[in-house]
Amino acid sequence: KAGVTQTPRYLIKTRGQQVTLSCSPISGHRSVSWYQQTPGQGLQFLFEYFSETQRNKGNFPGRFSGRQFSNSRSEMNVSTLELGDSALYLCASSLQGTVDEQFFGPGTRLTVL
Amino acid sequence: GQNIDQPTEMTATEGAIVQINCTYQTSGFNGLFWYQQHAGEAPTFLSYNVLDGLEEKGRFSSFLSRSKGYSYLLLKELQMKDSASYLCASPRGGSNYQLIWGAGTKLIIKP
Repeated sequence: KAGVTQTPRYLIKTRGQQVTLSCSPISGHRSVSWYQQTPGQGLQFLFEYFSETQRNKGNFPGRFSGRQFSNSRSEMNVSTLELGDSALYLCASSLQGTVDEQFFGPGTRLTVL
Repeated sequence: GQNIDQPTEMTATEGAIVQINCTYQTSGFNGLFWYQQHAGEAPTFLSYNVLDGLEEKGRFSSFLSRSKGYSYLLLKELQMKDSASYLCASPRGGSNYQLIWGAGTKLIIKP
C-alpha cells in the first residue's frame, strides 16, 4: 500500500509569489489535513478536507487556502508569500479525520527569500 | 483555552527507561495522541489514549489521567534509534476535526 506522497519536496520562492503544494493520500483515505511545522513551534493545523469539503480551518490568514479533488488528492495554495511562511508543510491522511491515526507525507520544505 | 505542554528536550542513556510527560488543558477532552518524528522525517503514530490508565505496546507505553490533564510516554530498553522528537496532541474541545499539538520533546539517546 503506497504511503502519502507530497510534491514538490523542496521549493524556493521569493516574497510576493504564490505557491501550490500537492498531496496524494493513501488509497481509501478520504480525510486530508495540512500542517505547518517550524522549529520550536510544533505542528500548526491549517485545514482539513473530507470528501472534497473543508471541515475545519486553523488560525491562518486567508492567503492560505486549499481544496480537495474527487480522488481525495489535495492541494494547498499560499498567495503573496512572506518570509515567515518558510516552513515544512506536512499533509496527513486518515480514514475518518484528525481524531484517527493519521499517516503523514514526507513534507514540502518551502523557503521564502 | 487549549494548551499542551511538554518538555523541550530530554537526554537518556541507551538501555535505560525514559518518561516523557505531556500536560494538557482542553475542554471537551477527546483523547490524546503520541507521535514520533525522526529528524527530517514525517511524524508516525505511536498511541491514542481515551481512557485512564496505561497502554503497553512493546517497548513503548502511554499513560493517561484525565482528572489530572496529564499523559506520559514511557520508553523502555532505549535504543539509539529512539532518538527523535515525541509529539503529543489532543483534539480541540468541541471538535472532532482539529488536533492541538505540543511543540514536541526532542529525546537524545547517549551510548
